[in-house]
Amino acid sequence: EVQLVESGGGLVKPGGSLRLSCAASGFTFSSHSMNWVRQAPGKGLEWVSSISSSSTYIYYADSMKGRFTISRDNAKNSLYLQMNGLRAEDTAVYYCARDSSQFDFFDYWGQGTQVTVSS
Amino acid sequence: SYELTQPPSVSVSPGQTARITCSGDALPKKYAFWYQQKSGQAPVVVISEDKKRPSGIPERFSGSSSGTMATLTISGAQMEDEADYYCYSTDSSGNHRVFGGGTKLTVL
Repeated sequence: EVQLVESGGGLVKPGGSLRLSCAASGFTFSSHSMNWVRQAPGKGLEWVSSISSSSTYIYYADSMKGRFTISRDNAKNSLYLQMNGLRAEDTAVYYCARDSSQFDFFDYWGQGTQVTVSS
Repeated sequence: SYELTQPPSVSVSPGQTARITCSGDALPKKYAFWYQQKSGQAPVVVISEDKKRPSGIPERFSGSSSGTMATLTISGAQMEDEADYYCYSTDSSGNHRVFGGGTKLTVL
């Protein structure tokens, strides 16, 4: 069974940093691109970043570029998101999502981790 | 940046057909996918590659795409279908992923 479990969320002050982790199991992690998607309170889904299976290709949404860094450790079956310079508008549930093996869409999602940016 | 446009809300009575549209300039060349999200839950894909229904998704869910518009159709909507629905695709380069703004489906 595919499982994605996020951790590392919490309350952080504006300008602060946070590192999210996603532990993957039940599939060959190193064969799939992985993603972060977020959802602000009462708002829609927003793609944050994608990383290819061997970390060769990395992409970010424009509003996150330069502040967020996605990475992965295939030996540990783990995905990460380093978030710096956090703003109130970064407050959201952050989901880890797996790419389908055939197309660039998210076929499995974690349950999300809450990030709150507030003074 | 690339955008997908959906109506904010759609309302139907039980048993009626609900249609949710999604427009985007790259849709003639890129697949559309549809996600259902119920309150407090992670999204679930209900239509992939414009019109394919994943296993476990009821037959009343169908998808189509023509030109710059993709459509999710729920034939004989049921109260359990009340949820937010998001279309999803990529920009023309394929490097950036995009969600539509979401459509709240009300069945009552």
